[in-house]
Amino acid sequence: AQSVTQLGSHVSVSEGALVLLRCNYSSSVPPYLFWYVQYPNQGLQLLLKYTTGATLVKGINGFEAEFKKSETSFHLTKPSAHMSDAAEYFCAVDRGGGFKTIFGAGTRLFVKA
Amino acid sequence: GAGVSQSPSNKVTEKGKDVELRCDPISGHTALYWYRQSLGQGLEFLIYFQGNSAPDKSGLPSDRFSAERTGGSVSTLTIQRTQQEDSAVYLCASSFSRDGPYEQYFGPGTRLTVT
Repeated sequence: AQSVTQLGSHVSVSEGALVLLRCNYSSSVPPYLFWYVQYPNQGLQLLLKYTTGATLVKGINGFEAEFKKSETSFHLTKPSAHMSDAAEYFCAVDRGGGFKTIFGAGTRLFVKA
Repeated sequence: GAGVSQSPSNKVTEKGKDVELRCDPISGHTALYWYRQSLGQGLEFLIYFQGNSAPDKSGLPSDRFSAERTGGSVSTLTIQRTQQEDSAVYLCASSFSRDGPYEQYFGPGTRLTVT
Protein backbone atom coordinates (compact mmCIF):
# COMPACT_ATOMS: atom_id res chain seq x y z
CA ALA A 1 0.00 0.00 0.00
CA GLN A 2 1.08 3.53 -0.61
CA SER A 3 0.61 6.63 1.49
CA VAL A 4 1.80 10.21 1.61
CA THR A 5 2.27 12.41 4.65
CA GLN A 6 2.74 16.13 4.39
CA LEU A 7 4.00 17.63 7.61
CA GLY A 8 2.30 20.89 8.41
CA SER A 9 -1.05 21.84 6.99
CA HIS A 10 0.04 25.48 7.03
CA VAL A 11 3.48 27.01 6.51
CA SER A 12 4.21 30.71 6.75
CA VAL A 13 7.41 32.34 5.49
CA SER A 14 8.57 35.87 4.85
CA GLU A 15 9.14 37.09 1.33
CA GLY A 16 12.71 36.22 0.34
CA ALA A 17 13.03 33.42 2.89
CA LEU A 18 13.60 29.76 2.20
CA VAL A 19 10.55 27.66 1.47
CA LEU A 20 10.58 24.07 2.74
CA LEU A 21 7.51 21.89 2.40
CA ARG A 22 7.87 18.37 3.73
CA CYS A 23 6.62 15.17 2.17
CA ASN A 24 7.21 11.62 3.30
CA TYR A 25 5.88 8.61 1.50
CA SER A 26 5.36 4.92 1.99
CA SER A 27 5.53 2.57 -0.96
CA SER A 28 6.13 -1.14 -1.45
CA VAL A 29 7.75 -0.53 -4.82
CA PRO A 30 10.02 2.20 -6.17
CA PRO A 31 7.75 5.20 -6.25
CA TYR A 32 7.11 7.94 -8.70
CA LEU A 33 6.67 11.23 -6.89
CA PHE A 34 4.99 14.49 -7.78
CA TRP A 35 4.39 17.95 -6.41
CA TYR A 36 1.35 19.88 -7.56
CA VAL A 37 0.37 23.47 -6.82
CA GLN A 38 -3.11 24.91 -6.56
CA TYR A 39 -3.55 28.66 -6.77
CA PRO A 40 -6.74 30.15 -5.35
CA ASN A 41 -9.87 29.19 -7.27
CA GLN A 42 -7.94 27.10 -9.77
CA GLY A 43 -7.31 23.43 -10.44
CA LEU A 44 -4.03 21.75 -9.64
CA GLN A 45 -1.01 21.96 -11.91
CA LEU A 46 2.20 19.99 -11.91
CA LEU A 47 5.24 21.64 -10.30
CA LEU A 48 7.72 18.81 -10.77
CA LYS A 49 8.03 15.04 -10.78
CA TYR A 50 10.53 12.31 -10.02
CA THR A 51 10.43 9.09 -12.00
CA THR A 52 13.96 7.67 -12.31
CA GLY A 53 17.49 8.98 -12.62
CA ALA A 54 18.70 12.17 -10.98
CA THR A 55 17.29 12.49 -7.48
CA LEU A 56 17.30 16.30 -7.49
CA VAL A 57 14.44 17.47 -9.63
CA LYS A 58 13.88 21.01 -10.78
CA GLY A 59 10.45 22.33 -11.52
CA ILE A 60 8.71 25.50 -12.52
CA ASN A 61 8.93 28.83 -10.70
CA GLY A 62 12.29 28.03 -9.08
CA PHE A 63 11.08 25.06 -7.04
CA GLU A 64 13.03 21.87 -6.66
CA ALA A 65 12.70 18.63 -4.74
CA GLU A 66 15.09 15.88 -3.78
CA PHE A 67 14.18 12.21 -3.65
CA LYS A 68 15.85 10.59 -0.65
CA LYS A 69 15.14 6.89 -0.64
CA SER A 70 16.81 6.28 2.74
CA GLU A 71 14.55 8.86 4.35
CA THR A 72 11.49 8.08 2.19
CA SER A 73 11.19 11.80 1.62
CA PHE A 74 10.55 14.17 -1.27
CA HIS A 75 10.69 17.63 0.28
CA LEU A 76 9.97 20.70 -1.84
CA THR A 77 12.21 23.74 -1.57
CA LYS A 78 12.67 27.18 -3.03
CA PRO A 79 15.57 29.41 -1.98
CA SER A 80 13.62 32.67 -1.92
CA ALA A 81 9.87 32.95 -1.48
CA HIS A 82 7.83 35.32 -3.57
CA MET A 83 4.39 36.63 -2.78
CA SER A 84 3.08 34.82 -5.85
CA ASP A 85 4.09 31.48 -4.31
CA ALA A 86 1.20 31.67 -1.87
CA ALA A 87 -0.88 28.63 -2.74
CA GLU A 88 -1.68 25.09 -1.67
CA TYR A 89 0.91 22.43 -2.43
CA PHE A 90 0.18 18.72 -2.77
CA CYS A 91 2.65 15.87 -2.76
CA ALA A 92 1.62 12.67 -4.56
CA VAL A 93 2.97 9.14 -5.00
CA ASP A 94 2.32 6.70 -7.83
CA ARG A 95 3.55 3.16 -8.30
CA GLY A 96 2.83 3.09 -12.02
CA GLY A 97 1.25 0.18 -13.83
CA GLY A 98 -2.18 1.74 -13.86
CA PHE A 99 -2.57 2.00 -10.08
CA LYS A 100 -4.11 5.19 -8.86
CA THR A 101 -2.07 8.11 -7.60
CA ILE A 102 -2.23 8.89 -3.89
CA PHE A 103 -2.24 12.53 -2.77
CA GLY A 104 -1.17 14.02 0.52
CA ALA A 105 -3.48 16.28 2.50
CA GLY A 106 -1.79 19.42 1.20
CA THR A 107 0.18 22.27 2.73
CA ARG A 108 -1.01 25.83 2.45
CA LEU A 109 1.88 28.25 2.01
CA PHE A 110 1.51 31.81 3.23
CA VAL A 111 4.08 34.43 2.23
CA LYS A 112 4.38 37.54 4.37
CA ALA A 113 5.62 40.85 3.03
CA GLY B 1 -3.99 21.81 -27.11
CA ALA B 2 -7.23 21.63 -25.21
CA GLY B 3 -7.04 20.79 -21.54
CA VAL B 4 -9.49 19.05 -19.25
CA SER B 5 -12.82 20.80 -19.23
CA GLN B 6 -15.63 20.54 -16.71
CA SER B 7 -19.19 21.72 -16.79
CA PRO B 8 -20.94 23.47 -15.29
CA SER B 9 -18.39 25.68 -13.56
CA ASN B 10 -20.92 26.48 -10.85
CA LYS B 11 -24.05 24.64 -9.80
CA VAL B 12 -26.52 25.66 -7.13
CA THR B 13 -29.15 23.09 -6.29
CA GLU B 14 -31.74 22.47 -3.65
CA LYS B 15 -31.32 19.76 -1.09
CA GLY B 16 -32.79 16.51 -2.34
CA LYS B 17 -32.33 17.20 -6.04
CA ASP B 18 -30.05 15.15 -8.31
CA VAL B 19 -27.09 16.73 -10.10
CA GLU B 20 -24.82 15.66 -12.93
CA LEU B 21 -21.29 16.97 -13.33
CA ARG B 22 -19.44 16.49 -16.59
CA CYS B 23 -15.76 16.02 -17.35
CA ASP B 24 -14.15 16.08 -20.79
CA PRO B 25 -10.62 14.68 -20.46
CA ILE B 26 -7.70 15.32 -22.75
CA SER B 27 -8.02 13.24 -25.90
CA GLY B 28 -6.08 10.00 -25.68
CA HIS B 29 -5.79 9.99 -21.91
CA THR B 30 -6.64 6.56 -20.58
CA ALA B 31 -6.99 7.43 -16.91
CA LEU B 32 -9.62 9.68 -15.39
CA TYR B 33 -10.07 10.66 -11.75
CA TRP B 34 -12.76 12.47 -9.79
CA TYR B 35 -11.89 14.26 -6.56
CA ARG B 36 -13.83 16.36 -4.10
CA GLN B 37 -12.38 19.36 -2.33
CA SER B 38 -14.34 20.89 0.51
CA LEU B 39 -13.62 24.45 1.61
CA GLY B 40 -10.09 24.67 2.95
CA GLN B 41 -9.57 20.92 2.72
CA GLY B 42 -7.34 18.66 0.70
CA LEU B 43 -8.24 16.36 -2.15
CA GLU B 44 -10.67 13.58 -1.43
CA PHE B 45 -10.40 10.78 -3.98
CA LEU B 46 -13.77 9.63 -5.30
CA ILE B 47 -13.34 7.33 -8.30
CA TYR B 48 -10.72 6.25 -10.84
CA PHE B 49 -11.20 4.95 -14.36
CA GLN B 50 -8.31 3.28 -16.15
CA GLY B 51 -8.88 2.19 -19.74
CA ASN B 52 -11.37 -0.65 -19.96
CA SER B 53 -10.71 -1.91 -16.44
CA ALA B 54 -13.40 -1.88 -13.79
CA PRO B 55 -13.34 1.50 -12.06
CA ASP B 56 -11.93 1.92 -8.57
CA LYS B 57 -14.95 3.20 -6.67
CA SER B 58 -13.38 2.92 -3.24
CA GLY B 59 -13.61 6.66 -2.56
CA LEU B 60 -17.29 7.20 -3.22
CA PRO B 61 -18.74 8.39 0.11
CA SER B 62 -22.18 6.85 -0.26
CA ASP B 63 -24.43 5.07 -2.73
CA ARG B 64 -25.86 8.44 -3.69
CA PHE B 65 -22.70 8.99 -5.70
CA SER B 66 -22.03 7.27 -9.00
CA ALA B 67 -19.95 7.91 -12.08
CA GLU B 68 -19.63 6.55 -15.55
CA ARG B 69 -17.24 7.00 -18.39
CA THR B 70 -18.65 6.53 -21.84
CA GLY B 71 -16.49 5.35 -24.71
CA GLY B 72 -13.38 5.79 -22.64
CA SER B 73 -13.72 9.54 -22.86
CA VAL B 74 -16.35 11.80 -21.28
CA SER B 75 -17.27 11.10 -17.68
CA THR B 76 -20.32 12.06 -15.66
CA LEU B 77 -20.46 12.17 -11.88
CA THR B 78 -23.99 11.93 -10.56
CA ILE B 79 -25.06 12.81 -7.05
CA GLN B 80 -28.58 11.76 -6.13
CA ARG B 81 -30.69 13.34 -3.40
CA THR B 82 -28.06 15.99 -2.70
CA GLN B 83 -27.30 16.98 0.88
CA GLN B 84 -25.74 20.16 2.20
CA GLU B 85 -22.55 18.30 3.06
CA ASP B 86 -22.13 17.56 -0.64
CA SER B 87 -21.28 21.23 -1.19
CA ALA B 88 -17.71 21.32 -2.46
CA VAL B 89 -15.58 21.76 -5.55
CA TYR B 90 -15.50 18.64 -7.68
CA LEU B 91 -12.30 18.24 -9.65
CA CYS B 92 -11.67 15.96 -12.58
CA ALA B 93 -8.23 14.96 -13.81
CA SER B 94 -6.95 12.82 -16.63
CA SER B 95 -3.62 11.28 -17.47
CA PHE B 96 -2.04 9.04 -20.05
CA SER B 97 -1.31 6.32 -17.56
CA ARG B 98 -0.85 3.03 -19.27
CA ASP B 99 2.54 1.83 -18.16
CA GLY B 100 2.83 5.06 -16.22
CA PRO B 101 3.52 7.16 -14.47
CA TYR B 102 2.29 10.32 -16.02
CA GLU B 103 1.17 13.47 -14.34
CA GLN B 104 -2.48 14.30 -13.96
CA TYR B 105 -4.01 17.22 -15.77
CA PHE B 106 -6.75 18.86 -13.77
CA GLY B 107 -9.82 20.65 -14.89
CA PRO B 108 -10.93 23.92 -13.29
CA GLY B 109 -13.56 22.18 -11.20
CA THR B 110 -17.28 22.45 -10.63
CA ARG B 111 -18.34 24.35 -7.54
CA LEU B 112 -21.46 22.69 -6.16
CA THR B 113 -23.61 24.49 -3.62
CA VAL B 114 -26.52 22.66 -2.03
CA THR B 115 -29.02 24.98 -0.37
